[in-house]
Amino acid sequence: GAVVSQHPSRVICKSGTSVKIECRSLDFQATTMFWYRQFPKQSLMLMATSNEGSKATYEQGVEKDKFLINHASLTLSTLTVTSAHPEDSSFYICSARRRGGLSLSSEQYFGPGTRLTVT
Amino acid sequence: GQQLNQSPQSMFIQEGEDVSMNCTSSSIFNTWLWYKQDPGEGPVLLIALYKAGELTSNGRLTAQFGITRKDSFLNISASIPSDVGIYFCAGRNNNNDMRFGAGTRLTVKP
Repeated sequence: GAVVSQHPSRVICKSGTSVKIECRSLDFQATTMFWYRQFPKQSLMLMATSNEGSKATYEQGVEKDKFLINHASLTLSTLTVTSAHPEDSSFYICSARRRGGLSLSSEQYFGPGTRLTVT
Repeated sequence: GQQLNQSPQSMFIQEGEDVSMNCTSSSIFNTWLWYKQDPGEGPVLLIALYKAGELTSNGRLTAQFGITRKDSFLNISASIPSDVGIYFCAGRNNNNDMRFGAGTRLTVKP
């Protein structure tokens, strides 16, 4: 299988605090992990791509100092939203992919998402 | 960057009807994927296509990779209430960049 988990599923934090979201690949080694953001009724917006042991590559317009990504192992990536503000409230979804050829087992599989609300 | 045009944006159908949605692009992709997303959940991979002209089925779902490599369609036959959700197409190019369509919101009336 290709199961990806995320924790927490929901988090409410106060403005100015930092929040860490974990993404784990449970039954495979993810050589690449992705972080997406999704606003209501919109598509997924790629924030950054990270390869294990390397610095994340951020998409244009995404502040790397605000959204800290750590891909320390082949099964874990974390996204830390620093000094969160109400406009950071969103649905954050991670995705993981194992190295491989063109097959279902090496495709991108998504976590269940984390709903962040900043008050 | 590469843009994917997914249509229709939304569909309201009766249970038992067939559904068709598609994605087009001005650029070539070497992989087309179809995902389904339920409210408050992450997208779930339905079908992956790797060759131009490829036709692949997954139960009542059938998807095709267009011959020009610039389009793909997804058909759902004999829809049921649990088919409700948002369907996203995604295309990946030879740089491993993946782009998503805007999604098709499907509503199935019992």
